[in-house]
Amino acid sequence: GAVVSQHPSRVICKSGTSVKIECRSLDFQATTMFWYRQFPKKSLMLMATSNEGSKATYEQGVEKDKFLINHASLTLSTLTVTSAHPEDSSFYICSARDGTGRSEQYFGPGTRLTVT
Amino acid sequence: EDQVTQSPEALRLQEGESSSLNCSYTVSGLRGLFWYRQDPGKGPEFLFTLYSAGEEKEKERLKATLTKKESFLHITAPKPEDSATYLCAVQEYGGSQGNLIFGKGTKLSVKP
Repeated sequence: GAVVSQHPSRVICKSGTSVKIECRSLDFQATTMFWYRQFPKKSLMLMATSNEGSKATYEQGVEKDKFLINHASLTLSTLTVTSAHPEDSSFYICSARDGTGRSEQYFGPGTRLTVT
Repeated sequence: EDQVTQSPEALRLQEGESSSLNCSYTVSGLRGLFWYRQDPGKGPEFLFTLYSAGEEKEKERLKATLTKKESFLHITAPKPEDSATYLCAVQEYGGSQGNLIFGKGTKLSVKP
């Protein structure tokens, strides 16, 4: 149980283009989903928190117009990196938490984004 | 100042050589402490949640313990397949929507 998938696992795009990453909870309903970014040898950095049907809450320093988050259903959240630049290259990971009151977050396998 | 500090950064063990990883935290009110395992190029895999000092949880060769200031992840007779980065995260009362605060992890290598 508690399986979270991400698609794509790897993506290479050109500067200036937009990329969409999907995060799905496969066997539970995720009332809350989180998007993280991970740099080599660094902690996971929370980018934003999204609740189904409402606007995402972004962490300080994260541009909401650049990183568009949509949580349209209880099993799907998307992160769109708009007008990508090479410095956006990173490992993006989503996590999901169900609505039972439990605190655990279950993570997806991550998406490696490379912007050329 | 980091709220979650893990040590050591890296640990090399021989197969069968037991050891412990440390996670110290400084949040004001701990709601929960979480241990995850992360393999290269993968997302973190949930291992344990600990809620109160004195609590212990076990899974195969791993045992997690919690005090008011730190948590230990004990690895008994590790095998090469236990090689991974182990992440500790805390959730504090009053934190925005239950966000997790992660440490930088301990990279464990177990040699046969």
